[in-house]
Amino acid sequence: EAGVTQFPSHSVIEKGQTVTLRCDPISGHDNLYWYRRVMGKEIKFLLHFVKESKQDESGMPNNRFLAERTGGTYSTLKVQPAELEDSGVYFCASSQFSGRRDTQYFGPGTRLTVL
Amino acid sequence: AQSVAQPEDQVNVAEGNPLTVKCTYSVSGNPYLFWYVQYPNRGLQFLLKYITGDNLVKGSYGFEAEFNKSQTSFHLKKPSALVSDSALYFCAALNKLIFGAGTRLAVHP
Repeated sequence: EAGVTQFPSHSVIEKGQTVTLRCDPISGHDNLYWYRRVMGKEIKFLLHFVKESKQDESGMPNNRFLAERTGGTYSTLKVQPAELEDSGVYFCASSQFSGRRDTQYFGPGTRLTVL
Repeated sequence: AQSVAQPEDQVNVAEGNPLTVKCTYSVSGNPYLFWYVQYPNRGLQFLLKYITGDNLVKGSYGFEAEFNKSQTSFHLKKPSALVSDSALYFCAALNKLIFGAGTRLAVHP
């Protein structure tokens, strides 16, 4: 069974540009999460999809971030325009069942560098 | 504010010695606690979790963790460390979607 995949693995962009990150969850997993780790600090929650609906987007830092999950399969996270403080590693995770007791399986992350 | 703390940035252990990576939590209600490990250029891999029941949880690669409600801790342990255990370890209270900052484990031959 394929795991969670993320694309690209690395992205280097200039301040003000737009970047779109993609996450493909494990097949059949309705729950999809986005997280971010900045500057070696703790991993912070961004948002949670259940199928195509945003269950919780309380962690989204501001309106420069837009997440979508059309059709309830893969998800994209767009940053527009990117700022220096957006640099970090963006992780995606998926889980099969609702409820937070289910194990989340993580992708390898996308390392975003904003210059 | 709710939080998960990993008080040590790095833990150094000699191969063959027991290892402990510490985690404490401050969350409302009953926590669902998880440990993940991240190897270089890889995603986070699930090690073990505590939801309810037996306070001693056994996980992958010989790791175990003990949930201690009175001390609000969930320390990760292994009786005999391997060099291949060297990695970054994260503790999380996933029902609150909160992670610790990570602890780098270095096991020396």
